[in-house]
Amino acid sequence: KAGVTQTPRYLIKTRGQQVTLSCSPISGHRSVSWYQQTPGQGLQFLFEYFSETQRNKGNFPGRFSGRQFSNSRSEMNVSTLELGDSALYLCASSLISRGETQYFGPGTRLLVL
Amino acid sequence: DQQVKQNSPSLSVQEGRISILNCDYTNSMFDYFLWYKKYPAEGPTFLISISSIKDKNEDGRFTVFLNKSAKHLSLHIVPSQPGDSAVYFCAASAQGGSEKLVFGKGTKLTVNP
Repeated sequence: KAGVTQTPRYLIKTRGQQVTLSCSPISGHRSVSWYQQTPGQGLQFLFEYFSETQRNKGNFPGRFSGRQFSNSRSEMNVSTLELGDSALYLCASSLISRGETQYFGPGTRLLVL
Repeated sequence: DQQVKQNSPSLSVQEGRISILNCDYTNSMFDYFLWYKKYPAEGPTFLISISSIKDKNEDGRFTVFLNKSAKHLSLHIVPSQPGDSAVYFCAASAQGGSEKLVFGKGTKLTVNP
């Protein structure tokens, strides 16, 4: 069974631009969660989608948004990029529940200049 | 308020010896705990989990111990191998996994040959 895939793997943007990241969950998994990882901050929860609906949202500004499609694939968008948005963005999928074992993709490394 | 704490940012051990990684939590509603391992430039990989109805779970060289009264869990790796060198994240969720995972900030383990 294929794992979680994320595209692109690396991205360089400039301040003020916007970016869209994509995540394809493991086949059959319906819950997709997004995390931001920065040095010293661990994994910060962004949001979770299930059946095309956002079920939970972390403490991030409205510039961060996402959506999920009927095939469970998910996208995350960040508008008006800031330097502090430079991070590794991780997507994780699980069968149904956000709290059960999640399987992570390799991440998208975003650098904002 | 950090609900899951990994107070040691780093740990160094000799190959063949035991590695003990610690994690404390504050939310008494947490009832499902996981450990993830993360190599640089990769997404976290699920390692081992434990439910609050147990106090120990073993999988090969990896054992997780849960002390509910102390709100403390630990991951033991015996014997440690150089390939175990990675960042280890502790995570917890409540209500049998229906609530989102909360991650600690991670402990970087270095196993020296």
